[in-house]
Amino acid sequence: DTAVSQTPKYLVTQMGNDKSIKCEQNLGHDTMYWYKQDSKKFLKIMFSYNNKELIINETVPNRFSPKSPDKAHLNLHINSLELGDSAVYFCASSQTPTSSETQYFGPGTRLLVL
Amino acid sequence: AQTVTQSQPEMSVQEAETVTLSCTYDTSESDYYLFWYKQPPSRQMILVIRQEAYKQQNATENRFSVNFQKAAKSFSLKISDSQLGDAAMYFCALCTSGTYKYIFGTGTRLKVLA
Repeated sequence: DTAVSQTPKYLVTQMGNDKSIKCEQNLGHDTMYWYKQDSKKFLKIMFSYNNKELIINETVPNRFSPKSPDKAHLNLHINSLELGDSAVYFCASSQTPTSSETQYFGPGTRLLVL
Repeated sequence: AQTVTQSQPEMSVQEAETVTLSCTYDTSESDYYLFWYKQPPSRQMILVIRQEAYKQQNATENRFSVNFQKAAKSFSLKISDSQLGDAAMYFCALCTSGTYKYIFGTGTRLKVLA
């Protein structure tokens, strides 16, 4: 059973389009995250939700809008896609939003903007 | 600000040999956690090992162990009896109390030679 799953795994789209990436975790965790991994493999947190409430919002363009319909889901919607948005996006979850908790990652979604 | 530095972009090790991956970090917090994640070509981020800063004993997980030097802010990963399946990108991460967001290093690509 997949603990943290993401759909789609690959996404190729044109500049200016709007796209969404979905994430689901079946671990019963309260906290979910979105990370971005750029072409140099650098991983940086974007957002975090705890119990459907936004708790981390890094300096991310407002074209990116996370949505958490329930504790088990955290979706990422991106408007007006730009070339620089090409990256791998990882969803993760942890039991609670504390530093002691291990975060479990999804398989990533590779987004390519043409 | 917290930072994590991995000074080795790439390392190679002969199968069955031992290799050590370096990681240094900087934080003014006294309560934090350190993690090593492995990212094979499949892109999946897999937890290798974690260390609580308040514990003096170095963490060990089978063939993986850490050398945690708190005063020097160093957290290296030792892989013993290297296997072909260990080939991957390895990321060091820091999570400080109260922030619950991972700060990742830039990664070290490990090649295992048969």
